[in-house]
Amino acid sequence: KAGVTQTPRYLIKTRGQQVTLSCSPISGHRSVSWYQQTPGQGLQFLFEYFSETQRNKGNFPGRFSGRQFSNSRSEMNVSTLELGDSALYLCASSRPSYEQYFGPGTRLTVT
Amino acid sequence: GENVEQHPSTLSVQEGDSAVIKCTYSDSASNYFPWYKQELGKRPQLIIDIRSNVGEKKDQRIAVTLNKTAKHFSLHITETQPEDSAVYFCAATRGSNDYKLSFGAGTTVTVRA
Repeated sequence: KAGVTQTPRYLIKTRGQQVTLSCSPISGHRSVSWYQQTPGQGLQFLFEYFSETQRNKGNFPGRFSGRQFSNSRSEMNVSTLELGDSALYLCASSRPSYEQYFGPGTRLTVT
Repeated sequence: GENVEQHPSTLSVQEGDSAVIKCTYSDSASNYFPWYKQELGKRPQLIIDIRSNVGEKKDQRIAVTLNKTAKHFSLHITETQPEDSAVYFCAATRGSNDYKLSFGAGTTVTVRA
């Protein structure tokens, strides 16, 4: 079974721009969660989607948003990028069940 | 919300020795505790997990123990090998439609040959 995939893998943007990241979960998995990983803050939960509905949200500003499509693929969007948004963005898929499996991440650099 | 603390932040062991990483959590409603291994430049990989109705779980050289009363859980790696060198993260979640994982800060494990 193919694992979680994320596109693009690397992205460079400038401050003030917006960005959209994509995540395709493992086939049959219907829950997708997004996490931000930085050296300073570690792994932090952004939000979780199940059946196209956001079920849970972390403590991030409204510039961070997401959505899920009927095929369970998910996108997250960050508007008005700031330097501090530079991070590895990871998505994780689940059936849903307790076990979450991560994708390779998208490395976002904001200059 | 849930707060997970992880110790130590770095751990250096001789090949063949054991490694132990400890985590504490604050939310008594948390009932699922996974451990992830992240090698440099790679995705976090689920290596073992434990649910609150179990006190210990073992998978070959790795084991996890859980003490619900004290709200702490630990990862034990025996007979360490160079390929065990990585960053290890503990996490906790309530589960049951709330699958938000709260992570510890990570432990960088280095196995010396």
